[in-house]
Order: sequence, then C-alpha cells, then structure tokens
Amino acid sequence: AQKVTQAQTEISVVEKEDVTLDCVYETRDTTYYLFWYKQPPSGELVFLIRRNSFDEQNEISGRYSWNFQKSTSSFNFTITASQVVDSAVYFCALSGPDSWGKLQFGAGTQVVVTP
Amino acid sequence: DAGVIQSPRHEVTEMGQEVTLRCKPISGHNSLFWYRQTMMRGLELLIYFNNNVPIDDSGMPEDRFSAKMPNASFSTLKIQPSEPRDSAVYFCASSLGLRSNQPQHFGDGTRLSIL
Repeated sequence: AQKVTQAQTEISVVEKEDVTLDCVYETRDTTYYLFWYKQPPSGELVFLIRRNSFDEQNEISGRYSWNFQKSTSSFNFTITASQVVDSAVYFCALSGPDSWGKLQFGAGTQVVVTP
Repeated sequence: DAGVIQSPRHEVTEMGQEVTLRCKPISGHNSLFWYRQTMMRGLELLIYFNNNVPIDDSGMPEDRFSAKMPNASFSTLKIQPSEPRDSAVYFCASSLGLRSNQPQHFGDGTRLSIL
C-alpha cells in the first residue's frame, strides 16, 4: 500500500523567512513518481513539480527547491525568502505502478506568511 | 491554452435534488479524474477515465453517484438524490495519460452545498 505523510499541519512564518515542508512516503515499488501541488486561498490546485524515483537530483525553480532523498523516503519542499503570495496549502502526492496515474495525496500543510 | 473547465463554480441545492457537475478536460488529454475535497477526508479520488473508459470507480461513495464521459471533451458527475453529507468541493483533473505519469491539471472546482 502507498502512503504519504505530511506531518506538519500548519506552518506560520514572517515574510522573507525560509520555510521547509516535509513529505515522507511509503511504497514497496521501486519505480514511482512524486508530486507537489499548491492550493492557494482561491481554491484551485496548481501543479508544481513531478519527480521520478530514479532521479535523486535536487531541483530549484526560482524561490522553490526540492530535496529528494530515497534513503529516507522523503521529498521535502523549501520556499526561500517567503512572500505573502506563498500562503497556501501544499500537497505532496505519490503515484506507482499498481495504479499508474492515480495520485495518493498527503493531508497537506497550510503555510501562512505574514508581512 | 485553456485549462480544465468546470461548471458550475458554485451550486446550492436542497436535499433530494439531482446535481450534475460538468467538466471539460484540456484538449489532447486522455485521462480524466474526479476528486472530492472535504475538511474531514481531504482529497479523495472518486473515479477516473482513460480514453473515455472508466478505469477505477472504487472511490465512488455510493450508488447515488455516477459519472460519464461520452466523449473526449466532456464528463459529468451526477448525484441523485443528493444529501447534506455530499457537500464538498468537487475537482476535475486531466492528464496526458496514465502510464507516463504525466501530472494532473486541475480545474477550479465546484463548491457544492446541499441544504
């Protein structure tokens, strides 16, 4: 069975602080994909990144960066120099060969950035 | 390019009424997904289609729920009869295909309230 755990329910930071969101997953598959989505207060779900299990390189996109560590089954997400517009719920998700395309979502982490 | 289009954005109706939610996937996407989001249960996958064929409907909560995809550009999720516990945000998502694990792109959702 697949499982995604986002232990942090809510994180509050002041603008310009860095914030790291934890994501720990469980799967018996050797091939799988990991995703992060953002849900701002307006409610839509926005795709941020997809990473396959064979690519452990960290990725940076602007102020966003992702740290994939297969040894600890973690796929953490860092927002550098946070801004008020980063306030949202962030979801980590997993997909594997038992059900390709079917996403197993974590519970989400609410990020609150105050000025 | 247009994203996933859902209608209506908001629906308020009385218990017992039939509710029909509509979705137009991104052109060229072969897979379509229906999700429900509530505070208690988070994001739940209800059903998904590949090339207009339902692949897995194990997430559909009851026989009161049904979904169809008559063609590649349109899908409906119907609840008949509706109940207050069906109140939630319903999302439709589409992707290029299942096996390639392309990311799912979500619509803005339909906020459903059953009184």
